[in-house]
Amino acid sequence: EAGVTQSPTHLIKTRGQQVTLRCSPISGHTSVYWYQQALGLGLQFLLWYDEGEERNRGNFPPRFSGRQFPNYSSELNVNALELEDSALYLCASKGGRMMNTEAFFGQGTRLTVV
Amino acid sequence: AQSVTQPDIHITVSEGASLELRCNYSYGATPYLFWYVQSPGQGLQLLLKYFSGDTLVQGIKGFEAEFKRSQSSFNLRKPSVHWSDAAEYFCAVGRPGGYQKVTFGTGTKLQVIP
Repeated sequence: EAGVTQSPTHLIKTRGQQVTLRCSPISGHTSVYWYQQALGLGLQFLLWYDEGEERNRGNFPPRFSGRQFPNYSSELNVNALELEDSALYLCASKGGRMMNTEAFFGQGTRLTVV
Repeated sequence: AQSVTQPDIHITVSEGASLELRCNYSYGATPYLFWYVQSPGQGLQLLLKYFSGDTLVQGIKGFEAEFKRSQSSFNLRKPSVHWSDAAEYFCAVGRPGGYQKVTFGTGTKLQVIP
């Protein structure tokens, strides 16, 4: 069974540009979580999608947005890129809302903004 | 809200030696506690978790952790480290309300020397 897949794996963008990152959850998982992992900061929660709806967002500006498709895959969009957006972006999927259902993480997309 | 601290940014141990990674949390009630491992270029993998019950938790890859309420700690241990354990380790703390409320520590990078 395939795990959580993210694309692309690496990306270089110029300040001010826009970027779209993609995440395919494990088959049957309806929840997708997005995180930003900047150097030395651990994982910061960005967005949670479940059953096609945005359920919660972290403390990030509105230029971070996304959506979830009917097949439960998800996109993260970042507009007006800033240098500090350089980070590893991870998504995770879960098969249910209960805390004891495990979250499985993708390998991430490394975004570099120059 | 809750918080989590991993006091050691970087730890070096010899192969075969014992390992203890420290994790301290701040939360008013009994938290949900997690340890994850992130190998280079990979996403996070769950090692173990504590929700309730026995305070000594066994995980995968020979790891264990002990919840100590009096010390607000959830330290990760392994009796004998293997070279393949070199990775970054994240402690995380959650509370009722969903996985989006899980807070991750800043990580401890483990180096294993022969």
